[in-house]
Amino acid sequence: GIQVEQSPPDLILQEGANSTLRCNFSDSVNNLQWFHQNPWGQLINLFYIPSGTKQNGRLSATTVATERYSLLYISSSQTTDSGVYFCAVEVYYGGSQGNLIFGKGTKLSVKP
Amino acid sequence: DTGVSQNPRHKITKRGQNVTFRCDPISEHNRLYWYRQTLGQGPEFLTYFQNEAQLEKSRLLSDRFSAERPKGSFSTLEIQRTEQGDSAMYLCASSAGRGTDTQYFGPGTRLTVL
Repeated sequence: GIQVEQSPPDLILQEGANSTLRCNFSDSVNNLQWFHQNPWGQLINLFYIPSGTKQNGRLSATTVATERYSLLYISSSQTTDSGVYFCAVEVYYGGSQGNLIFGKGTKLSVKP
Repeated sequence: DTGVSQNPRHKITKRGQNVTFRCDPISEHNRLYWYRQTLGQGPEFLTYFQNEAQLEKSRLLSDRFSAERPKGSFSTLEIQRTEQGDSAMYLCASSAGRGTDTQYFGPGTRLTVL
């Protein structure tokens, strides 16, 4: 099946710093989402981005589908950005919708 | 629209007992998914419904697990004869099932099997 690899596995930042998280996937995908999991376990949607670039405030994401990777940029990080960031991809089989396959995540800690 | 809700949020049970979790999707979302997440890992797919039809099941969903979605609204996930290895966060998600299909997740039910 498709493999999803995220890097780095852990990241510690000083408040105000910028960072880039990477997601590599091993096959063509129909859907790619970035999530932030807060300390209480809630998965929060950040981006639906199977291709192209999107921005939402201090966050932006770029997916280069032909090269099978996606990047999540966090600028001017804040302590509330701490948590685990997941990349998840979806592959459609035979015309029916598949399920999301998650990477292992990047654990981000932003220090004040 | 209050998002996806799950109940209970926490469940502690003894090995061998049966447990049932409930998920209420975003209204008018016709797709509903169950995932399981263990410590330090990303969520893993368990099963998926399109309206009331269960269309896909992972090999992770052993015979002790059963899921239903009567009338295509809320869903229940039952685990029979729980084992310590079932301890995990059980996450539910829903999507509209149209075009670009973003999945929205509930807060999860954390199961601890003693």
